[in-house]
Amino acid sequence: AQTVTQSQPEMSVQEAETVTLSCTYDTSESDYYLFWYKQPPSRQMILVIRQEAYKQQNATENRFSVNFQKAAKSFSLKISDSQLGDAAMYFCAYTSPIKAAGNKLTFGGGTRVLVKP
Amino acid sequence: DAGVTQSPTHLIKTRGQHVTLRCSPISGHKSVSWYQQVLGQGPQFIFQYYEKEERGRGNFPDRFSARQFPNYSSELNVNALLLGDSALYLCASSRAGGGDQPQHFGDGTRLSIL
Repeated sequence: AQTVTQSQPEMSVQEAETVTLSCTYDTSESDYYLFWYKQPPSRQMILVIRQEAYKQQNATENRFSVNFQKAAKSFSLKISDSQLGDAAMYFCAYTSPIKAAGNKLTFGGGTRVLVKP
Repeated sequence: DAGVTQSPTHLIKTRGQHVTLRCSPISGHKSVSWYQQVLGQGPQFIFQYYEKEERGRGNFPDRFSARQFPNYSSELNVNALLLGDSALYLCASSRAGGGDQPQHFGDGTRLSIL
C-alpha cells in the first residue's frame, strides 16, 4: 500500500520570503501522480499543483513549484514570494494511474504554513 | 459553473443514530469520491463512485455505505454512529474515474457525534 509522509507539522515564513514543504512517499509503482493541496480555514481543499511521475520536468504554477526526486521518492513544494493568503494547511497526496484502481487519493498528515506580515 | 456542493454544512447527532450526507458534483463530472478528515489529520478515502458503480472502497466498516444517482449526485450513509465518526466529510468530483483526473473538493460536512 502507498503511504505519504509529511515530516513538518508547521512551518513559518515571513511575507515575501520563500518556504519549502517536504513530502516523501512509498510506492512500488513506476508511474503515478502526486499533488499538493491547500486547505485554508474555510475547509475547502484546493489543488495547488500536480506532477506526473513519468515527466522529469518539475511542475510550476505561478509562485508554486515542486522539486520531484523520483529515485528518492521525494516531492517538496516551494512557495516563493509568500503572501498572507498562503496561510493554510498543505497536504501532499498520491494517486495511482491504473484505471481499475480508481482515483483514490492517499494524503499525508499535512503541514501548517504560517505567514508573518 | 457551480463547484461541488455538499449538504448539510454542519450536523450534530448522538451515538447510535444514522446520518445521510449529500454531494452534487460539478456539472459534467461523473465521478464522486468521499473522504473522512478527522481533526488534525489528512483526509482518508472512503468510497469512489463512477458512472453509478462503486470503483473503490477504503478501510471503513460496513456501517459506511454510499450510492450515486443517475444525475451523478451522491449520498454517504453512516449507521450506528460512534463518537469516532466525528469528522469533516469531504466530497470530491472529477470528469472521469482515473487517477489522471484532477479532483475538485466541496466545503465538506462537519459531523459532530455527542
